[in-house]
Amino acid sequence: LAKTTQPISMDSYEGQEVNITCSHNNIATNDYITWYQQFPSQGPRFIIQGYKTKVTNEVASLFIPADRKSSTLSLPRVSLSDTAVYYCLVGDIGSGSARQLTFGSGTQLTVLP
Amino acid sequence: EAGVTQFPSHSVIEKGQTVTLRCDPISGHDNLYWYRRVMGKEIKFLLHFVKESKQDESGMPNNRFLAERTGGTYSTLKVQPAELEDSGVYFCASSPRTGASYEQYFGPGTRLTVT
Repeated sequence: LAKTTQPISMDSYEGQEVNITCSHNNIATNDYITWYQQFPSQGPRFIIQGYKTKVTNEVASLFIPADRKSSTLSLPRVSLSDTAVYYCLVGDIGSGSARQLTFGSGTQLTVLP
Repeated sequence: EAGVTQFPSHSVIEKGQTVTLRCDPISGHDNLYWYRRVMGKEIKFLLHFVKESKQDESGMPNNRFLAERTGGTYSTLKVQPAELEDSGVYFCASSPRTGASYEQYFGPGTRLTVT
C-alpha cells in the first residue's frame, strides 16, 4: 500500500475554502485515492474517491495532478460543522483485492468562527 | 435506511474479564470489517468477513480476540481475557458485496476501557 503524508492540522475560518493536500509518491498504477472524514465520537465517513484529474460531489472536490503523486481535497465555504479529522487513503480498489482500509494520522481541520 | 450500529457504546471492565462487542451491519451488506484505535494510535484493521466467512484476519492482535458472524448478519468480537492495552475504540464497518470501492460504512464505535 502506498504511504501517504498529510499535514497534522489546519485551521480555517467559516466561509473560507479549505484545501488539504496529501502526498503519495509511491502510488501504483491501479491505486485510487479516497478521502474519509471523522467527527469526534463517530466512525469515519467516506467523502470522495478519484483516480485522476478532478472529481466533484455535493460535499467536496478532489484534484489529482497528472503524475498522481499528490491529491488535494477541497472543501468549499467551510462551516464550524466541518471541524473533523480528514484521512487520505490510497490503494487498489479492484475486486479481489484486499478490502482493508489503511488509515494514517489524518489532518485535524479546525474551523474557527 | 439504518446505518451500522454497535453495542455497547461504552464498556468499562477490569483486566482479566471478558467483553463482547456487537456490530449490526447495514442490511444486505455481505462485507463486514472490524477496526480499532488504541490510545494515540491510528485506526487499524482487525479482520474482514464476507458473509459468515473470515476473509482476512491478519490484523487480529492475538488469540484473546475472537470474532464471529454466524448466519452472515451481525458480528460479535469477544476479548477474553481483556488486558489494559486492549483499551480503545472498536469500529465496525460494512460494504455491499458488489462493486469495487473503498467506500465502507462505519458505525459509531464502542469505547472499551480496561482498568
